[in-house]
Amino acid sequence: DIVMTQSPLSLPVTPGEPASISCRSSQSLLHDTGYNYLDWYLQKPGQSPQLLIYLGSTRASGVPARFSGSGSGTDFTLEISRVEADDVGVYYCMQSLQTPITFGQGTRLEIK
Amino acid sequence: EVRMVESGGGLVKPGGSLRLSCATSGFTLSSFSVSWVRQAPGKGLEWVASFITGSNDVYYGDSFKGRFTISRVHTKNSVFLQMNNLRADDTAVYYCVRLGSHGYKGDFDYWGPGTLVSVSS
Repeated sequence: DIVMTQSPLSLPVTPGEPASISCRSSQSLLHDTGYNYLDWYLQKPGQSPQLLIYLGSTRASGVPARFSGSGSGTDFTLEISRVEADDVGVYYCMQSLQTPITFGQGTRLEIK
Repeated sequence: EVRMVESGGGLVKPGGSLRLSCATSGFTLSSFSVSWVRQAPGKGLEWVASFITGSNDVYYGDSFKGRFTISRVHTKNSVFLQMNNLRADDTAVYYCVRLGSHGYKGDFDYWGPGTLVSVSS
C-alpha cells in the first residue's frame, strides 16, 4: 500500500499570513499520463470533506485562487497564500494511483 | 445541482448486516464512477470501495474485501453499500462520493453529508 505522510499535523496560522502543508508518498504518484494522482481535500468543522486540488495542482471548481498545489513524484505541497478564518479545518492529501486509495493523516489548521 | 444523499445507517450488533443507500441527483449516474469513504469518530478518512463506470470494475480496501459489496443502479440513480459481518471497528460515518470526469480513481468532487453506522452489542 502507498503510505501518505503529512506534516505538520497541527498548523496555527495568523489571518493574512501564508500556510504550507507537506504531503509525502511512499511511492511515486506520477502516472504514465504525466499527471500526479494526488488530490487535496478540506474538511471544515462539522462538514463533509470538499475537493480543493486534483491531479496535484489543478484547483477544483469554486476554489479560491489563494489555494495552490505543487509537487511531483513523492513530494507535494498545498499552499494558502493568505489564510482566512474560513480556511480552518482538517486538510487531507489522497493518492489514487493504486488501490487501496490512501489518505494522509490530516493536518489541522487553526487560526491564532 | 449535484446531490448525494446517504441513508440506511443505524445501530447494528456485531456480526450483523446493513445496506447503505445513496440517492443521487443533478447528473447522469451512469456516466460517473462512485465511491464510499468512511470516517471513524474523531479519526481521519478511509477509502472503502469504488465502482468504476464504463468497465463496471469494483475495488475494495483490504479490510472490506469479502464483507462489503458496492453496487450501482443507474436507473434508480442510486448507489449501494451492502455491509456484512460488521465489527465494532466499522463504526463510522459513511460518505457516498462522486468521482469527477478526469479519468482516474480520485477526484472526489461531490460528497454526501454521510450516514452514521454504529456497531455495538
